[in-house]
Amino acid sequence: SQTIHQWPATLVQPVGSPLSLECTVEGTSNPNLYWYRQAAGRGLQLLFYSVGIGQISSEVPQNLSASRPQDRQFILSSKKLLLSDSGFYLCASVRGGWDTIYFGEGSWLTVV
Amino acid sequence: AQSVAQPEDQVNVAEGNPLTVKCTYSVSGNPYLFWYVQYPNRGLQFLLKYITGDNLVKGSYGFEAEFNKSQTSFHLKKPSALVSDSALYFCAVRGRATDKLIFGTGTRLQVFP
Repeated sequence: SQTIHQWPATLVQPVGSPLSLECTVEGTSNPNLYWYRQAAGRGLQLLFYSVGIGQISSEVPQNLSASRPQDRQFILSSKKLLLSDSGFYLCASVRGGWDTIYFGEGSWLTVV
Repeated sequence: AQSVAQPEDQVNVAEGNPLTVKCTYSVSGNPYLFWYVQYPNRGLQFLLKYITGDNLVKGSYGFEAEFNKSQTSFHLKKPSALVSDSALYFCAVRGRATDKLIFGTGTRLQVFP
């Protein structure tokens, strides 16, 4: 099975500062990768997904960007954080053919 | 457009009673459907999925779900609830011609002793 590593687990950043959240995957190759944001312990909002290196699909216009520099690495970034960027960020991975989706343990971001 | 609806924010059930958590979806063509559970401050854990075949899918921890194509539903069920089943449950859908995976807003299940 796959293992998804996310770091940092928690982060407190001032408004206007940059952000980098990293996700790496073990146990598979060429997965589809996803970034979700969960606000207030409720619904998951799809932010970005990637089907391969350098291929990023953006779902919601926002202050964030994503990159996939390696097959099993997915990075969520921002140049200048907003208060509204606070939330719980989850990375997910799935192999092609719709195997089980695996999630990381999440990264808590608080923008102050 | 692809979407998932979980019409109940919260479901309350007594321990030992059957439980149902509802999910309906909208997608072009045949769907891939999933149920996940989330415990506080954790990532999501897989419960079960429907890809093809038998409409009744059995999953982890005694949960099952029935795919109903005519009603575009995929309700999660368990014959006898446990207090430890209390958590946040998510339904997700993906159409077969897309890589986009969409989750519902979640239903909080509370099982009372």
